[in-house]
Parts: sequence; C-alpha cells; structure tokens
Amino acid sequence: ETGVTQSPTHLIKTRGQQVTLRCSSQSGHNTVSWYQQALGQGPQFIFQYYREEENGRGNFPPRFSGLQFPNYSSELNVNALELDDSALYLCASSNYLGGGDTQYFGPGTRLTVL
Amino acid sequence: AQRVTQPEKLLSVFKGAPVELKCNYSYSGSPELFWYVQYSRQRLQLLLRHISRESIKGFTADLNKGETSFHLKKPFAQEEDSAMYYCALSGLNNAGNMLTFGGGTRLMVKP
Repeated sequence: ETGVTQSPTHLIKTRGQQVTLRCSSQSGHNTVSWYQQALGQGPQFIFQYYREEENGRGNFPPRFSGLQFPNYSSELNVNALELDDSALYLCASSNYLGGGDTQYFGPGTRLTVL
Repeated sequence: AQRVTQPEKLLSVFKGAPVELKCNYSYSGSPELFWYVQYSRQRLQLLLRHISRESIKGFTADLNKGETSFHLKKPFAQEEDSAMYYCALSGLNNAGNMLTFGGGTRLMVKP
C-alpha cells in the first residue's frame, strides 16, 4: 500500500509569485484535504476535494485554489504570495464516508516566501 | 463553530511517570475526536480515534461529553513517547470532512 506523497519537499518563492504544490493520495482513497501549518501551530484546514469537486472550505481567501484529478491526486495553487503564506502545507487523503473518516497525512511541503 | 484547545504547549515528565495530555473541544453536534502524533522528522500519524475505542502504544482517551474533553492518558511514559501530540475534531455528517486541530502539546519524557 502506497502512502500519501507530496512534492516538492521544500520551496522558496518571493512575494507576489504563484506556487503549485502536488499530492498523491493513498491507494484506495477518493478524497484529498489540504492544511496549512504555521510554525508552532496546529494544522488549519484549507479545503477538501472529493471526486474532483470542492467538498468543503476553511477560512482561506480565493487566491488559494485547488484541483483534484481523476486518479484522485491533487494540486494546491496559491496566487499572489504573501509573507504570511510561509508554512508547512500538508495533504491528507481518506475514503469519504460522510464525515468522521480517518485522514492519512503526507510529509508536507515547506514553503518559504521572501 | 468547531474549536479544539490544548492548554499545555509543553509537558515534561520522567520515564515511568503517568502522562495526561489535555484536550477540550467546542462543537454543537456529535463530534468524532482523534489524537494525532508527530515523532521527530516523521509525518503526522493517527494515534487513536474515539470511535474505535482502541488502546494504541498504551495510550487511551475517553470522550467526556459533559466536560467536552478528550484527554490522552498513559500510565507509564516511555522515552520513545517523546513527540508532538495534536487533538483533532471532525464533525460527523458534515458536508466535507474538515479536521479542526488544537495547537499541539510537546511531550518530553526524560530518562
């Protein structure tokens, strides 16, 4: 069984640039969720994708957007990067059962915005 | 709105001592609660979830709906338990499956 993978591991961007982060879900999972984890804090929910549609969104501006592909892999796109976007971005996959299902996390992508 | 509070950022105990990591939550519906753990240089992984009622690595957690708590306990701490622990809540039957995390507690077990 292949676990959740994310790429790249680290990324450095400057303010105003755009970034795309990638996630491959665990085999057999149909749902991908994205979280932002700032230094010293718990992860914060950005959004979730189920069967290629957005299935819930946290308190993040529209410049955070995503996609899910037919193979259930996913992308997180962030436009007009700000310094506060510097964080660890976590992807989690699960088998959506209507709520309460266990989410399995990837290793994360560390984004630094200068 | 969902909210999870972990009041201690750092908990330091000696090997063999009992451990209790506190977690309080706020949620109007029927919550599903989780404990996730992150060992040094490893990914976030599930430790246990309320609904399965399992004991993992000697840890247990009881949901107390009256006190809205889900404290994590272990009777005898081991050095390998040193890690970052996160309590998380998922609302059952929500559209989406959002996990709301607490700020985390770093557990240090001293020899």
